[in-house]
Amino acid sequence: AQKVTQAQTEISVVEKEDVTLDCVYETRDTTYYLFWYKQPPSGELVFLIRRNSFDEQNEISGRYSWNFQKSTSSFNFTITASQVVDSAVYFCALSEPGNEKLTFGTGTRLTIIP
Amino acid sequence: KAGVTQTPRYLIKTRGQQVTLSCSPISGHRSVSWYQQTPGQGLQFLFEYFSETQRNKGNFPGRFSGRQFSNSRSEMNVSTLELGDSALYLCASSLEASNTEAFFGQGTRLTVV
Repeated sequence: AQKVTQAQTEISVVEKEDVTLDCVYETRDTTYYLFWYKQPPSGELVFLIRRNSFDEQNEISGRYSWNFQKSTSSFNFTITASQVVDSAVYFCALSEPGNEKLTFGTGTRLTIIP
Repeated sequence: KAGVTQTPRYLIKTRGQQVTLSCSPISGHRSVSWYQQTPGQGLQFLFEYFSETQRNKGNFPGRFSGRQFSNSRSEMNVSTLELGDSALYLCASSLEASNTEAFFGQGTRLTVV
């Protein structure tokens, strides 16, 4: 069975600090997909990134970067120079090929203190 | 391009009643999935529809059902509501059923009293 663990329930940092959100996953599949979503107070989940299991290259998008390590089954998310607008709940998720079902972690509530 | 639209945004129902929630996916998207979000259980997959067929179903009782229409719009129905059904119900649409990114609506917040 698939499982996603986000051990950090809540994190608070002062604006402009860097912060890393951890995600550890479990799956028996050799092919799978990993995602990060952001949930602001308005409720909708905002897609941030999708990664397939064969692509271990780290990715950077502006202030956001992702570190995917199959050896440790981790897919961590770093926000550089955090801003107040980054305050939200962040979810890591996992899916199997050909199956739209997403297995979510419990989320990390990130608060950026001005 | 319009996003995923869920209606209504808020609902209050009484135990034992039934409720129907609606989701209009992004134009051109054929896959629609439903999730339940509660503080205790987090985000849990309910079911997924693709081209009017249910392709996958989560571990929820038969009181939870859904359907998809030819225009890809989807509805989910919960019968004999229980207090524990109070949750945020989120709908997601995807272009194809192939693990592409899912776009979520703002959800319907259901309160059962």
